[in-house]
Amino acid sequence: DADVTQTPRNRITKTGKRIMLECSQTKGHDRMYWYRQDPGLGLQLIYYSFDVKDINKGEISDGYSVSRQAQAKFSLSLESAIPNQTALYFCATSGGGSGNQPQHFGDGTRLSIL
Amino acid sequence: SQQGEEDPQALSIQEGENATMNCSYKTSINNLQWYRQNSGRGLVHLILIRSNEREKHSGRLRVTLDTSKKSSSLLITASRAADTASYFCATARSNDYKLSFGAGTTVTVRA
Repeated sequence: DADVTQTPRNRITKTGKRIMLECSQTKGHDRMYWYRQDPGLGLQLIYYSFDVKDINKGEISDGYSVSRQAQAKFSLSLESAIPNQTALYFCATSGGGSGNQPQHFGDGTRLSIL
Repeated sequence: SQQGEEDPQALSIQEGENATMNCSYKTSINNLQWYRQNSGRGLVHLILIRSNEREKHSGRLRVTLDTSKKSSSLLITASRAADTASYFCATARSNDYKLSFGAGTTVTVRA
């Protein structure tokens, strides 16, 4: 089983719909992240959480919200989806302690908004 | 905004050849990391080099870091078809634990 699992893997929806992307991890990591990837670009950080009671905005948080339901679960919501939110979304985790920690990624959710 | 920029954007080589890609960044860093992304998959961590290190090896991978030039390079030796992927550098700044990713280098290894 994958250490970082994202659901769904693919989603097509319409403008204005509310969408939730889910992420769960079995690595026991405290830190979790949501990124989006657009073609030809690197990853942009949407939100991150360093523990269950900690939520922080990333570079591009407008139009998104998150919930850290447990150490192992971190969900991303699009309150009212718009076409320019069409992208590949990744969840990642990392261990605590010093900043020198690699991140572990799920396989992504491909989201298309019509 | 992206901290790192990879060069070249794309690279095509023959199996057995070496592949070199570069990453430049703008602000001081705590560490720099390289990741690989196969088509349709998530990123996989390859190697982390700290700001006080100059070179690091892992199998067929060699990473260098020059903090005076704010640049890093990733060398893949004796490339294989399985090395076909996109490679990203990511920098961790000194005062936080977030990563800033570059746009990546797409490497194609021809059989």
